[in-house]
Amino acid sequence: AQSVTQLGSHVSVSEGALVLLRCNYSSSVPPYLFWYVQYPNKGLQLLLKYTSAATLVKGINGFEAEFKKSETSFHLTKPSAHMSDAAEYFCAVTKRRGGGNKLTFGTGTQLKVEL
Amino acid sequence: DTAVSQTPKYLVTQMGNDKSIKCEQNLGHDTMYWYKQDSKKFLKIMFSYNNKELIINETVPNRFSPKSPDKAHLNLHINSLELGDSAVYFCASSQDRGGNTEAFFGQGTRLTVV
Repeated sequence: AQSVTQLGSHVSVSEGALVLLRCNYSSSVPPYLFWYVQYPNKGLQLLLKYTSAATLVKGINGFEAEFKKSETSFHLTKPSAHMSDAAEYFCAVTKRRGGGNKLTFGTGTQLKVEL
Repeated sequence: DTAVSQTPKYLVTQMGNDKSIKCEQNLGHDTMYWYKQDSKKFLKIMFSYNNKELIINETVPNRFSPKSPDKAHLNLHINSLELGDSAVYFCASSQDRGGNTEAFFGQGTRLTVV
């Protein structure tokens, strides 16, 4: 069975500082990997996804993530945080075959951006 | 134009009642889903339909029954509501059932059972 672990349920950064949100996956076969963002009282929006092309994936709003098979990780980064980045971030996986596009989510990381 | 829309946005009801949540997508997608987000913000899939056919049915009480009249709609009916059903329910859709396909989410329906 696949699973996702997000280290740190709350992360706080200063505006302009580096954002690093951690995600590790557990799967017998490298899965597809996603980062979704949820703003308060909103639905989820895709930030980026890894589907076995380039291991460094660029997404919307200046975010990027790097797939590292040796570390089973898919950490999300942004060089310079903005106040508007404050939200809940979810890492998720799907199976490459036979999963029916079922997203298995991590427990989420709440990002707080301070002045 | 809202891509995936759910109604109602908020639903407060008493234990034992039966309620429905409606979902519609105007993206022309083949696959639709229901996810449940609990009070700790943990998200878990409940059901998935592909072209009106049920393809994912997680361990969900049979008080929950999805219905897909056509591939643009996936409704969720809940019988005999319990306190533990209080959560935010998200509808989503994707172009197909491939694992690398982006899912588009609705705004959610916050269900409160009192």
